[in-house]
Amino acid sequence: EIVLTQSPATLSLSPGERVTLSCRASQSVSSQLAWYQQKPGQAPRLLIYDASNRATGIPARFSGSGSGTDFTLTISSLEPEDFAVYYCQQRSNWPITFGQGTRLEIK
Amino acid sequence: EVRLLESGGDLVQPGGSLRLSCAASGFTFSSGAMNWVRQAPGKGLEWVSTIGGTGGNIYYADSVKGRFTISRDNSKNTLYLQMNSLRAEDTAIYYCAHRKNWGPFDSWGQGTLVTVSS
Repeated sequence: EIVLTQSPATLSLSPGERVTLSCRASQSVSSQLAWYQQKPGQAPRLLIYDASNRATGIPARFSGSGSGTDFTLTISSLEPEDFAVYYCQQRSNWPITFGQGTRLEIK
Repeated sequence: EVRLLESGGDLVQPGGSLRLSCAASGFTFSSGAMNWVRQAPGKGLEWVSTIGGTGGNIYYADSVKGRFTISRDNSKNTLYLQMNSLRAEDTAIYYCAHRKNWGPFDSWGQGTLVTVSS
């Protein structure tokens, strides 16, 4: 099973700041990595797929990069609605696995 | 617009059974892989099971293998999850999710809550 480790677990930032979230895989997942955003009481929403492609309707301030084992999600300038939990997920190997999540909090 | 609506969640005793359903609309149901993903209270996401568009290519997480069965009825645009021998650790919100061309989970339902407790 491929283990995805996200860091940090929690980030406290202010609107307007730039943030980079990390996801590290225990073995290569090529570019088969996605990022999701989840707000309280809501289902997850796909942000980025195949490491660097924005999903339909996702603002340009969200970007993804990486391949192999190291990936990042960057939000160029935080908006109030971006404070949420973010998960990475790999589909390279069965079983599909998710990272444990990074919580983005308002400072 | 893809729409997924789960139902069937309930309070059930340990060892009991439950069947979840997910009604789909807004896309060609038979063409997409369908999935169940769960989230225990206050915890992260856990993939549970996937079924291919024609009903073949079925996969399960080890934690549910032998107890859960995924199926689909393409004539009714509906996905199912039969859950047997339920345990307390199966308590979670169960989400139905769509994958186009075996890609990422591009659409999600709002989830249905399963509580396993005596």
